[in-house]
Amino acid sequence: GAGVSQSPSNKVTEKGKDVELRCDPISGHTALYWYRQSLGQGLEFLIYFQGNSAPDKSGLPSDRFSAERTGGSVSTLTIQRTQQEDSAVYLCASSLQGPNYGYTFGSGTRLTVV
Amino acid sequence: DQQVKQNSPSLSVQEGRISILNCDYTNSMFDYFLWYKKYPAEGPTFLISISSIKDKNEDGRFTVFLNKSAKHLSLHIVPSQPGDSAVYFCAVYSNYQLIWGAGTKLIIKP
Repeated sequence: GAGVSQSPSNKVTEKGKDVELRCDPISGHTALYWYRQSLGQGLEFLIYFQGNSAPDKSGLPSDRFSAERTGGSVSTLTIQRTQQEDSAVYLCASSLQGPNYGYTFGSGTRLTVV
Repeated sequence: DQQVKQNSPSLSVQEGRISILNCDYTNSMFDYFLWYKKYPAEGPTFLISISSIKDKNEDGRFTVFLNKSAKHLSLHIVPSQPGDSAVYFCAVYSNYQLIWGAGTKLIIKP
């Protein structure tokens, strides 16, 4: 498709369960970012991929969070043993390499941990 | 159809003057609005927000105005500084979803 695609758009899960969030970036975009938006907060950086490698994982809030990217394309963000404070909108964005290229966000996955 | 529109792709302002960035939205039920700033090759950073119960929110040099009847919000930067040169995104937070504008590139001229 033409934009960044995220699935599912909405996920409700029980506390303690694992969840996987998927991001399909724009074709050809080598950089991929995961962010989290909690209610009333600004955007929180989680992790950045350049190709398949993640040079910056500094934003992952705990070791329950992990992400991978395969084939320089699709990325999966996994949250293990979910907690209620994990409830948020998880945003993925992609961009072409270089400072003059735009930064396209997906519409996000709304995660609710009950 | 775009629900959040930033109709100016770019804006050039003299250093020291006021920068005004505009954003329009289509859904009158939207109730929380945010502005983000993004430098090249970096992720966006949160600037300022406003909820629909207010019409103005101020934080230092940044002020956001909300006109609910016109479904319009604006970001004012006074005085503009060279470090303000960046892309500014307007976003609407509704029902736990973020809806983004396309961004306006602000260039501050010395």
